[in-house]
Amino acid sequence: KQEVTQIPAALSVPEGENLVLNCSFTDSAIYNLQWFRQDPGKGLTSLLLIQSSQREQTSGRLNASLDKSSGRSTLYIAASQPGDSATYLCAVREGYTGANSKLTFGKGITLSVRP
Amino acid sequence: GAGVSQSPSNKVTEKGKDVELRCDPISGHTALYWYRQSLGQGLEFLIYFQGNSAPDKSGLPSDRFSAERTGGSVSTLTIQRTQQEDSAVYLCASSRGPGSPLHFGNGTRLTVT
Repeated sequence: KQEVTQIPAALSVPEGENLVLNCSFTDSAIYNLQWFRQDPGKGLTSLLLIQSSQREQTSGRLNASLDKSSGRSTLYIAASQPGDSATYLCAVREGYTGANSKLTFGKGITLSVRP
Repeated sequence: GAGVSQSPSNKVTEKGKDVELRCDPISGHTALYWYRQSLGQGLEFLIYFQGNSAPDKSGLPSDRFSAERTGGSVSTLTIQRTQQEDSAVYLCASSRGPGSPLHFGNGTRLTVT
């Protein structure tokens, strides 16, 4: 059974700092991995999706990397801002069809960026 | 619409009552998912619809839970004889297909008193 772990559960940093959020998964046979952001009382917003054949994806100040063989992904946030404060979740999809198509989520990292 | 729409946004019900939660996915999205998020817990998979295929119901926690997707679009999650442990935020997501990003609605916060 796939398990996704995100440590630490919470992180507080000063504004302007570059930071890395970690995600690990137990079964390296994944189809893709997706990073989401969740603001309080809201649904999840998709940030980046990395296919299993890719090593990284970038969007603005965000860069996500994937190392399938070691079961790890990182989300890099450059020059953090107070508006980046939210919970960040990673999720893996194991397959293309059937029961493996569902995403397995980590519990998230709650980020607070102090002005 | 522009995004995934869920209704109601909040629902308070008495223990033992039935509830229906609705999800309108993004137009053209063939895949639809229901997840549950409890306080302090991660997202728990409930059910997955893909096109006209039989749904993957492996995440439904009990036979009190059921879901339908009519005409490949709108989905309804029904919880019968609600219990206090059913209190959670129920999130719906849709995507163009398995290789595409999931787009989530804002969820329905269910409180069972």
